[in-house]
Amino acid sequence: GQQLNQSPQSMFIQEGEDVSMNCTSSSIFNTWLWYKQDPGEGPVLLIALYKAGELTSNGRLTAQFGITRKDSFLNISASIPSDVGIYFCAFSQGGSEKLVFGKGTKLTVNP
Amino acid sequence: GAVVSQHPSRVICKSGTSVKIECRSLDFQATTMFWYRQFPKQSLMLMATSNEGSKATYEQGVEKDKFLINHASLTLSTLTVTSAHPEDSSFYICSAAGTGGPFNYGYTFGSGTRLTVV
Repeated sequence: GQQLNQSPQSMFIQEGEDVSMNCTSSSIFNTWLWYKQDPGEGPVLLIALYKAGELTSNGRLTAQFGITRKDSFLNISASIPSDVGIYFCAFSQGGSEKLVFGKGTKLTVNP
Repeated sequence: GAVVSQHPSRVICKSGTSVKIECRSLDFQATTMFWYRQFPKQSLMLMATSNEGSKATYEQGVEKDKFLINHASLTLSTLTVTSAHPEDSSFYICSAAGTGGPFNYGYTFGSGTRLTVV
C-alpha cells in the first residue's frame, strides 16, 4: 500500500529558531499538502503543492514539492509560540481523490 | 470562503445509543465529503468517502452498518455512529470537496467532533 513517512516525530525549539520537517512517500503523487492541527480542532491547510519542484511560501512558511514527486519539506522561519501544534503532510492523486496523511510532527516552541 | 461547519463539537452518549454528527459546507457545494477518525496522538484515518446522492465508499476495516453516512444534499453530510461503545470514543472530522476555485479536492476540514461513549 501507499506509505508516507513524516519526520521528525517531534521537535522542541526555542522561539526565533527555524524549523524543517519532511515527508517521503513510496509512490508518486500529484498533490502534496501541509496542514497544522491545534488541540481539539480540525486540520487547517497551510500550503498546497501541485507541481514537481514547486516552491511555495505562506508568510513564514515555505514548502517544496520534490522533483521526483515522492517527497516534500516544510520550513518555518523565525518560530513564534503560536506555531505550536501538530503538522501533517498529506498527499493525493488529485481531483477529489482521498487524502493520505503522515503521522505528524509535534512542534513545541519554548519562549 | 471554503468554510466547513461540523456539529456538535462535543458529545457524550451512553453505550448502546446512536449519535449523529453533521458536516455542512457553508459557502460552496460539496460533491464529495470525507469522514475521518483520529485517536489520541495519532494521525487522521479516512473512514469513508461520500458522494452526494450515492452510497458511501468505506475504507477497509470500517463497518458500514455501524457508521452510517448520508449525503443527501450538496451542502450536508451526516455520520451516525450506531450502537456506540466506549471503543468508538474518538475525534471525528469531516472534510468537503467542491467544484471550482480553492474548494477542490477535500482540502477544507470541519472543526471536529469529540465523541465520548460512557
